[in-house]
Amino acid sequence: KQEVTQIPAALSVPEGENLVLNCSFTDSAIYNLQWFRQDPGKGLTSLLLIQSSQREQTSGRLNASLDKSSGRSTLYIAASQPGDSATYLCASREGGADGLTFGKGTHLIIQP
Amino acid sequence: GAGVSQSPSNKVTEKGKDVELRCDPISGHTALYWYRQSLGQGLEFLIYFQGNSAPDKSGLPSDRFSAERTGGSVSTLTIQRTQQEDSAVYLCASSLGWLSSRSYNEQFFGPGTRLTVL
Repeated sequence: KQEVTQIPAALSVPEGENLVLNCSFTDSAIYNLQWFRQDPGKGLTSLLLIQSSQREQTSGRLNASLDKSSGRSTLYIAASQPGDSATYLCASREGGADGLTFGKGTHLIIQP
Repeated sequence: GAGVSQSPSNKVTEKGKDVELRCDPISGHTALYWYRQSLGQGLEFLIYFQGNSAPDKSGLPSDRFSAERTGGSVSTLTIQRTQQEDSAVYLCASSLGWLSSRSYNEQFFGPGTRLTVL
């Protein structure tokens, strides 16, 4: 059974810093990996989707990488802003599975 | 519609009552998913529909849970004889479908229904 782990569980940094959120998974036979953000009391907003054949995806200040062989993905946030404060979740979809397997998230606070 | 919608946004019920949660996916999305988010468990997958068919119901927590989808669109998740451990946020997501091409796999989530069982 797939297990997804996110480190750190919480992170607080000053505005303007570049930062990296980590996601690891135990079963490397994944179809894709998706990064989301969740604001308090809200649903999930999709940030980036990386297919198993891809190594990275970029959207604005966000860059996500995928290394299937090591079972790792990272989300890089450049020039962080207070509006980036949220919980960031990674989720994988494995072969033979219908739904996503989620990590428990990284709670990010960007200090103004 | 513009996004996935869910109703009600909040539901408070008494233990033992039945509840019905509704999900309206993005227009044209053939795949629909239900998840549950609780404090202790994080986000867990419940069930998936491709069209009106749910090939695997083993993710549902107990036989008190059931789900259906009609017309390839709206889905309802029904919980019978609710228990306090059913309290959670129930999230629905949809995607274009389940194909190997990139754009079909991305899941888009609704705002969720917060269920509180007293």
